[in-house]
Amino acid sequence: DAEITQSPRHKITETGRQVTLACHQTWNHNNMFWYRQDLGHGLRLIHYSYGVQDTNKGEVSDGYSVSRSNTEDLPLTLESAASSQTSVYFCASSDPGKGEEQYFGPGTRLTVT
Amino acid sequence: AQTVTQSQPEMSVQEAETVTLSCTYDTSESDYYLFWYKQPPSRQMILVIRQEAYKQQNATENRFSVNFQKAAKSFSLKISDSQLGDAAMYFCAYSLSEKLVFGKGTKLTVNP
Repeated sequence: DAEITQSPRHKITETGRQVTLACHQTWNHNNMFWYRQDLGHGLRLIHYSYGVQDTNKGEVSDGYSVSRSNTEDLPLTLESAASSQTSVYFCASSDPGKGEEQYFGPGTRLTVT
Repeated sequence: AQTVTQSQPEMSVQEAETVTLSCTYDTSESDYYLFWYKQPPSRQMILVIRQEAYKQQNATENRFSVNFQKAAKSFSLKISDSQLGDAAMYFCAYSLSEKLVFGKGTKLTVNP
């Protein structure tokens, strides 16, 4: 069965370190998204991609970057982790023109100490 | 900018009863999609129901139905015959150009 996976599921890192969260989907979807979830804010869009070599900034992109070298993967990098980036991160994918439904990964809980 | 408002941070319902979760949104577009997602304690985001704005008929999925009022920009979720497994956070979301904007969520408690 097709799926979307994230790794690691939990991570603790120190302030100032570079961190990369992985997202891999086997749906063969062109669209991929990264969200963060914080209490009182719901889910907010960080970055998104409509296809290979395409990346775009979302609502809360400062301090984050993504790259899209193939259809299956959209890694999220925190260049210099800050305590404000402690959050739960969700990756999602969707098939263009198919009702805009997004399929979500299980989430990564990141703690920056 | 598109915004989504869920005015009920928490709701509770008795098992087997009906509950309605509210959602309003703001947009100047005429063609878009609306969603309700469920997030149980496992944290997994699960699609509950989807509504296409150009369709006047309200979407229904088994015990879940929506009341879509396009002119009022309102999109409420009705859960009938509530079950213990319905207990979760529920998020309303608006989609335009494939991107989702979420409300802050409503925590639903189901009492036995």
